[in-house]
Amino acid sequence: SQTIHQWPATLVQPVGSPLSLECTVEGTSNPNLYWYRQAAGRGLQLLFYSVGIGQISSEVPQNLSASRPQDRQFILSSKKLLLSDSGFYLCACQGSRDEKLFFGSGTQLSVL
Amino acid sequence: RKEVEQDPGPFNVPEGATVAFNCTYSNSASQSFFWYRQDCRKEPKLLMSVYSSGNEDGRFTAQLNRASQYISLLIRDSKLSDSATYLCVVPGGSYIPTFGRGTSLIVHP
Repeated sequence: SQTIHQWPATLVQPVGSPLSLECTVEGTSNPNLYWYRQAAGRGLQLLFYSVGIGQISSEVPQNLSASRPQDRQFILSSKKLLLSDSGFYLCACQGSRDEKLFFGSGTQLSVL
Repeated sequence: RKEVEQDPGPFNVPEGATVAFNCTYSNSASQSFFWYRQDCRKEPKLLMSVYSSGNEDGRFTAQLNRASQYISLLIRDSKLSDSATYLCVVPGGSYIPTFGRGTSLIVHP
């Protein structure tokens, strides 16, 4: 079965600092990968998804970017964090289209 | 119409009660549907897949109504531990999984 590693669990960063969140997947090949963000008390907002190495689609224009340098590695980055980037970031993996999603344990990011 | 809509609740019910949630969707081509459970500050975890013929797992029953474009989740004999947010997932445009905002359930003694 698929296992998703996401770290760190908690991160506190000052405004204007860079960000790099990494997600790695085990137990599957060529998965669809997703980054979601969840604000406190709100639903999941899709940020980026990837169907293969180097293939990134952005759902929402913003201060963030994503990369997929390897089949089972998905990275979320920012050059300069904003206060509005605070939230709970979740990486998710899907074996193929229409299959269920599996989530990493999430990163709670606070930008101060 | 939003792609996926859920009543945010909260649904506040006593232990032992039966509670039902609905989730409406707009993409009539959707084929795969899921219910997830999310505890506070945790990742969503798969609760059930939703099949055309319905799906039952213990106290939980999920059903699909294609004609009216909604899925439902029924929880029987509610437990305190069922308190959580329940998210429905529907394939949206380009088959991207689209989440509802979630329905909050509070089960009290």
